[in-house]
Amino acid sequence: GDQVKQSPSALSLQEGTNSALRCNFSIATTTVQWFLQNPRGSLMNLFYLVPGTKENGRLKSTFNSKESYSTLHIRDAQLEDSGTYFCAADAGNTRKLIFGLGTTLQVQP
Amino acid sequence: EAAVTQSPRNKVAVTGGKVTLSCNQTNNHNNMYWYRQDTGHGLRLIHYSYGAGSTEKGDIPDGYKASRPSQENFSLILELATPSQTSVYFCASGDWGSSAETLYFGSGTRLTVL
Repeated sequence: GDQVKQSPSALSLQEGTNSALRCNFSIATTTVQWFLQNPRGSLMNLFYLVPGTKENGRLKSTFNSKESYSTLHIRDAQLEDSGTYFCAADAGNTRKLIFGLGTTLQVQP
Repeated sequence: EAAVTQSPRNKVAVTGGKVTLSCNQTNNHNNMYWYRQDTGHGLRLIHYSYGAGSTEKGDIPDGYKASRPSQENFSLILELATPSQTSVYFCASGDWGSSAETLYFGSGTRLTVL
């Protein structure tokens, strides 16, 4: 968890609002991945990133390798966005991912 | 969508017993991984594999063995289970090197060691 730090650790949003989750890396990383673990425990991939930005529907993610951070923006939050979001860093192209401790998001009606 | 299937979904074992967790993927991915998830620790890598016949130690390999007999199957073996190994275990597969590289996870196995 120290090498990949996620913030905030928990977040509550009203439906329809926007927010940003952040990952800071203390290790050199070439790629970043974001995952969502839903309340039933299933892990789903959201993004695979090289330095740059990707967008998918209401989600947008950026990876800035020079400043060692990544962000995940959620626009117009919906109830089904609730769960725990994990970012993971590929440490030096080792084909191993190091995970952060996650951000638990609760979207309220 | 990549398919990764874990079995069993739930397992109760006794201290000192042998436990085998199984994982099967049908997408011809070279790399497979075993993680455990615990509150306060997130996902931690136990063992991984680059292909059939290969196993590599992850960050917390002590007390665990792994076996990759084929491209599709990757097992995690606890020879002498201990209560500290009570956790949720996730298997994942993926292929590094492509622009669409990402990990695909199984549904998890909840293991309780009494």
